[in-house]
Amino acid sequence: RKEVEQDPGPFNVPEGATVAFNCTYSNSASQSFFWYRQDCRKEPKLLMSVYSSGNEDGRFTAQLNRASQYISLLIRDSKLSDSATYLCVVKARPPAAAAGNKLTFGGGTRVLVKP
Amino acid sequence: DTGVSQDPRHKITKRGQNVTFRCDPISEHNRLYWYRQTLGQGPEFLTYFQNEAQLEKSRLLSDRFSAERPKGSFSTLEIQRTEQGDSAMYLCASSLAGGPKETQYFGPGTRLLVL
Repeated sequence: RKEVEQDPGPFNVPEGATVAFNCTYSNSASQSFFWYRQDCRKEPKLLMSVYSSGNEDGRFTAQLNRASQYISLLIRDSKLSDSATYLCVVKARPPAAAAGNKLTFGGGTRVLVKP
Repeated sequence: DTGVSQDPRHKITKRGQNVTFRCDPISEHNRLYWYRQTLGQGPEFLTYFQNEAQLEKSRLLSDRFSAERPKGSFSTLEIQRTEQGDSAMYLCASSLAGGPKETQYFGPGTRLLVL
């Protein structure tokens, strides 16, 4: 079983609609959570961090459910430019102070916004 | 541009050849990560440096792979005796050590094709 699992999609979304998708993670010691966006043949870019209380950034809302170990992303009023792959990312608590904060990525959820 | 840079952006090589990639992190960042991404998958962690010290290596990093960060600034990733299975996008990321909310910024990647 992968540490971070996502529905690969694609989610075909009419422009202006709302789309939501989840990811699940298996490591209960996970400490930090993020959504990254990746355009075709480009590098991942941080979209937003995910906080326990849920957080919103413009049209994007992220939620974290630690008890069920899942993270969600909701996109409102979808734009054509939202078409991308959305990567769910988890960071476990490092074992030592000097240890790095390696990121564990899901396989990505592809979203296609169509006119 | 003060972001993470990688060179070359593309590399085609024949099986059995050695290749070396370079990553220049954001100048004040003390942490540097290498990831590998294959088609349809999320990036997978390979190795991590804090300053010049290599502190963590993934099991994915076979003996044919070696990474260095000699002066704590740029890093190189060398693959010896390349195999077709090494074909992937190699991503470098850098960050400034700062706890759970530390953000990794990715370079554009080096796309490797082994024939």
